Amino acid sequence: TQLLEQSPQFLSIQEGENLTVYCNSSSVFSSLQWYRQEPGEGPVLLVTVVTGGEVKKLKRLTFQFGDARKDSSLHITAAQPGDTGLYLCAGFTSGGSNYKLTFGKGTLLTVNP
Amino acid sequence: DAGITQSPRYKITETGRQVTLMCHQTWSHSYMFWYRQDLGHGLRLIYYSAAADITDKGEVPDGYVVSRSKTENFPLTLESATRSQTSVYFCATWTGSFNYGYTFGSGTRLTVV
Repeated sequence: TQLLEQSPQFLSIQEGENLTVYCNSSSVFSSLQWYRQEPGEGPVLLVTVVTGGEVKKLKRLTFQFGDARKDSSLHITAAQPGDTGLYLCAGFTSGGSNYKLTFGKGTLLTVNP
Repeated sequence: DAGITQSPRYKITETGRQVTLMCHQTWSHSYMFWYRQDLGHGLRLIYYSAAADITDKGEVPDGYVVSRSKTENFPLTLESATRSQTSVYFCATWTGSFNYGYTFGSGTRLTVV
């Protein structure tokens, strides 16, 4: 059972377009992270969201954590070729001493010049 | 250099051979993790460690062995490599704070022929 569902799986857009990537679950997360992974490298943390309803901005990237802490979204404004990569959401489930991150399968974004 | 380093970056081995992938961190983070990343499966947890001499199985531990005699090192051994273990392997560390995510190494691309 996939705990974190990401959509879409693949996204190919033109430079300057806007896009949104979704991360959904039936489980509650104590915190949720977004990572970007470039070819040949490990995932790199972009942001951590902790509070339900929280919105964080990182230049052209906007991250939102759902009110119930079960879902999150990543919105990119005016995408650039440098945004190309695999975007992964990952969460720590609530409760107990669970310190293992659960990862979604990722959204592969290609931004064409 | 500070950080997390994995070695080797690339490895080709034959079926049945024992292979050890190395992971070294300079931060003294308590938590360390081994993941494999495969198309269609995303990142899957193999083993993790909460501290020196404390290790536990993840989602896909069969065929792998880990040890952690020192906080900074977390080697992963494939006891008798099989073709199904051809993958990209990532090591990660974590501070222990839910406000922060994992820090990943650059990965080892392993091919079993």
